[in-house]
Amino acid sequence: QITLKESGPTLVKPTQTLTLTCTFSGFSLSTSGMGVGWIRQPPGKALEWLALIYWDDDKRYSPSLKSRLTITKDTSNNQVVLTMTNMDPVDTATYFCAHTGRGAVAGQYYYYMDVWGKGTTVTVSS
Amino acid sequence: DIQMTQSPSSLSASVGDRVTITCRASQSISTYLNWYQQKPGQAPKLLIYAASSLQSGVPSRFSGSGSGTDFTLTISSLQPEDFATYYCQQSYSARSFGQGTKLEIK
Repeated sequence: QITLKESGPTLVKPTQTLTLTCTFSGFSLSTSGMGVGWIRQPPGKALEWLALIYWDDDKRYSPSLKSRLTITKDTSNNQVVLTMTNMDPVDTATYFCAHTGRGAVAGQYYYYMDVWGKGTTVTVSS
Repeated sequence: DIQMTQSPSSLSASVGDRVTITCRASQSISTYLNWYQQKPGQAPKLLIYAASSLQSGVPSRFSGSGSGTDFTLTISSLQPEDFATYYCQQSYSARSFGQGTKLEIK
């Protein structure tokens, strides 16, 4: 059974750097096809995809936030860390991490986020 | 960036109704399209991947179709537990979500 849990500060000040940790179990990030992504959701608003790291250390970032984001993995401790620099009140949101798996359809691999953590709420305020 | 646009933004329907939600990509994404359901206070749940493949455990009243830039999610007969917000998401280039469709009880 795959589970993920987000952890990090609940309150950060403007201009500070946010560091969030996703601790997971039930899979290994050294297994081919596996990935972990981060997604956020401001209060009452839509989901926004942030970043993704694959088993082979391939990393993908939201183009609009790429300059502020860094995603890394610690395979031995089953953790993925997301850092976001220069936090602003508009970054106030619930931050989710999610397992990225893949399915084969007609000989092609398709990736999807099939197991999510419960999310952690981050408020940016002075 | 690939922009995803859903319509409608909100929808009122009754139990037993057939409902269709549309998602349009700003460029062709083949069938790299997933659908999620989110209920208040919960994390999203994967319903459909690869545009039309039903995720394990998801009821068969949910179905997806489309390719290229235009996609649909259909719920054949609405159940009380289906009232939620639905999001499409592309996995062709990086990732991006639509703005969501809130399905409410009429």
